[in-house]
Amino acid sequence: GEDVEQSLFLSVREGDSSVINCTYTDSSSTYLYWYKQEPGAGLQLLTYIFSNMDMKQDQRLTVLLNKKDKHLSLRIADTQTGDSAIYFCAESNNAGNMLTFGGGTRLMVKP
Amino acid sequence: DAGITQSPRHKVTETGTPVTLRCHQTENHRYMYWYRQDPGHGLRLIHYSYGVKDTDKGEVSDGYSVSRSKTEDFLLTLESATSSQTSVYFCAISESREAFFGQGTRLTVV
Repeated sequence: GEDVEQSLFLSVREGDSSVINCTYTDSSSTYLYWYKQEPGAGLQLLTYIFSNMDMKQDQRLTVLLNKKDKHLSLRIADTQTGDSAIYFCAESNNAGNMLTFGGGTRLMVKP
Repeated sequence: DAGITQSPRHKVTETGTPVTLRCHQTENHRYMYWYRQDPGHGLRLIHYSYGVKDTDKGEVSDGYSVSRSKTEDFLLTLESATSSQTSVYFCAISESREAFFGQGTRLTVV
């Protein structure tokens, strides 16, 4: 079945850039997503990219997709303490938008 | 939160008892989903619905059933709760590319 992998933890200093990486195995993935989860809250959709794109930028967020290597990354520029959260990568390959999630990367931003 | 309400937000129940979690949406979205979140596993799909009375199983459906009698409500039932079903349960809704999540229900089975 599909598998989505992420590293568990990332620590950066405030003002630096953060790069969170994700790999997936399903070559038929159509859309790839990044969600943010703050403590005690639900998941907030940050951005998503269609599989025929290789980059998408939205303010401080840049998503890079290497479809050949099945590698997705999320870059957060000028990381702030409010960016501290768990970030989930997810993929979908169908119109019903069922998502397969990675295990999440906990981002810690140090002042 | 895109008009999604989960109830209850917290519940403690005993092993062997039935439990029903409710998801209510005001967005009139076609698709509704139940996921569970456990440490190290991210979120895993339990069941989903693609319309009234139309449901199907997800990756971890054993021990769970669902019902959708109205567009706005999607119920998740644990017929006989077990300790392995202690988890945080999230409802999500979707109409096209984007899925929106509720605030979650923390269920503890003792």
